[in-house]
Amino acid sequence: AQTVTQSQPEMSVQEAETVTLSCTYDTSESNYYLFWYKQPPSRQMILVIRQEAYKQQNATENRFSVNFQKAAKSFSLKISDSQLGDTAMYFCAFISGYGGATNKLIFGTGTLLAVQP
Amino acid sequence: NAGVMQNPRHLVRRRGQEARLRCSPMKGHSHVYWYRQLPEEGLKFMVYLQKENIIDESGMPKERFSAEFPKEGPSILRIQQVVRGDSAAYFCASSPGPGRETQYFGPGTRLLVL
Repeated sequence: AQTVTQSQPEMSVQEAETVTLSCTYDTSESNYYLFWYKQPPSRQMILVIRQEAYKQQNATENRFSVNFQKAAKSFSLKISDSQLGDTAMYFCAFISGYGGATNKLIFGTGTLLAVQP
Repeated sequence: NAGVMQNPRHLVRRRGQEARLRCSPMKGHSHVYWYRQLPEEGLKFMVYLQKENIIDESGMPKERFSAEFPKEGPSILRIQQVVRGDSAAYFCASSPGPGRETQYFGPGTRLLVL
């Protein structure tokens, strides 16, 4: 069974600085998709970034980028120029690319990021 | 284009009552997913539905929980005879196609069982 591990329960960063959130996963599949979602105090789940496993190029969305290391099964999120609005719980998630398992996101336990002024 | 809508946002029930949670997917999305988030935990998959069909309910508790997505109207997650352990945030997500497509989440329904 696939699992997603986020080993950093909490992190803190100063405004305008860069922070990296870690995520590792376990799967025997070669085709899958990885996501980072953020959950601010409002509790809404917001998609941050998506990565297809078959793509070697790391995904980037404005200040958010990933470091996808397929062999190491690692998928870290880098936030550049941190802003106060980035304060949130960040969840790493995995979804299989095969058959009936392509419908369920598997989430890690989350990393609570606090951006300090 | 409106996002995924869920109502109510907050629901309080006493033990033994029924809870009905509603989800309207994004326009053009015909795939709906329900997830549960217990306090201090990540989201856990419950059920995946397409119009009039339950495709995967492997994450649903075997008793008291049911879900539907009728031809017309929102998807409904129904919890009968609620217990305190059902207190959680219930999130609905939708996508235009099967799960490989990005799932977009609603704001969630916070259920509190007294």
